[in-house]
This record gives sequence, C-alpha cells and structure tokens, in this order.
Amino acid sequence: NAGVTQTPKFRVLKTGQSMTLLCAQDMNHEYMYWYRQDPGMGLRLIHYSVGEGTTAKGEVPDGYNVSRLKKQNFLLGLESAAPSQTSVYFCASRPSRADTQYFGPGTRLTVL
Amino acid sequence: AQTVTQSQPEMSVQEAETVTLSCTYDTSESDYYLFWYKQPPSRQMILVIRQEAYKQQNATENRFSVNFQKAAKSFSLKISDSQLGDAAMYFCAYRRSYGGATNKLIFGTGTLLAVQP
Repeated sequence: NAGVTQTPKFRVLKTGQSMTLLCAQDMNHEYMYWYRQDPGMGLRLIHYSVGEGTTAKGEVPDGYNVSRLKKQNFLLGLESAAPSQTSVYFCASRPSRADTQYFGPGTRLTVL
Repeated sequence: AQTVTQSQPEMSVQEAETVTLSCTYDTSESDYYLFWYKQPPSRQMILVIRQEAYKQQNATENRFSVNFQKAAKSFSLKISDSQLGDAAMYFCAYRRSYGGATNKLIFGTGTLLAVQP
C-alpha cells in the first residue's frame, strides 16, 4: 500500500514548455486534490475531483488543466509554463465519507 | 469566506520542553473540522491531530493536544516533551463539515518549529 504517490519529484522547465504531473493513489479514494505551496502562503487549492471523469476549479486554477480518466489517477497539466508557476505541488486524496486528506510527497517545479 | 491565521512564523523549543502553536480562524459556520498538519524537511504533509467543532472535548494524540476555544475561534496545538523529530513546519487547516469534496481545506501560512537539543 503506497498511499499517494507523485511523479516526478523534481522538474525544471523553461518558460513556455509544457508538462504533466501525475498523482496516483491506491486507497480507492473518491476525492482528489491538487495544491500548490508557496513561501509564506500555505497551501492553495488548484483543482479537485469528486470522482472519475469529473473535475472542478479551486482557488487558483488559471494556467492549469486537470484530468481524471481513472479513479486512481489525477493529472495536473501546465500547457505553457510561466515563472509564476514555480512552486511545490501537492496532491491529496480522501474517501467521500471521511474528512482527512492524505497527501503525496510533493513535486518541486522550477520554471526558468 | 473562511480564513485561517497563524501569527507565529517561527517558534523554538528546548528538547523535552512544551511548546504551544497558535491558530485562529474566521467562519460563520457552526459545524466544521480543524486540523494540524506537520511538514518535515522531507516535505510530506502528515496529519497530526483533528478536531470536530461539535465536540467540546479537546483532541489528544500522544504528546500532541489541542486547546479548542470555539467561541474565540482559536485552535492551538500543544506539543509536550518535545523531541528533535518534532522540528518541522506546522500548518493549521479548516474545513466545513458538509458539501462533499467542495469542502476544501483552508490552510494557514504555517509556523516553523525548531527544537534545540
């Protein structure tokens, strides 16, 4: 039981490049979330999903897209990376009937 | 809108001593959950303790306990017998209790705790 995993752990991009961050959970959780963490700002919600095939915008969705084609995977895409997207990205999941979110180890993304 | 405030950017405690981290929040809801998460240098977010707002009794988990003051909207974390492994960033978080996945976690800005040997 690996819990929540994120791929990759680190990535450096040039402005304008695209990439996809993968989040996978093996706990059969219905809900999944993507956050970004910036210094002095705590974690902010980018997008979330209540189930396979559904996604919704969070607090800071601009510049990101997401997909949840399979229940266990939640992908975060950057179509044209910008330096403002330099951050640490966290994925989390939780069952629909529980209140605790379980976090992945994070991905540190630098956009030059 | 709900907000969470952690007014102590950094704290320090001697090993084996007790430290209290402060958190206040603002909400018009009556039913919600409060959490403390620990983020060590490994970056992993680890749940430390949770409190349901409808429960008057303060939550405890081993050396960790909270002082939940609902009327004052205060939710402080007490760490007893501090250990070197407690050194981390601590985040306070709020979530209202209904509405399913749309109940996002709202985080404070964190308190960096240093533990001195």
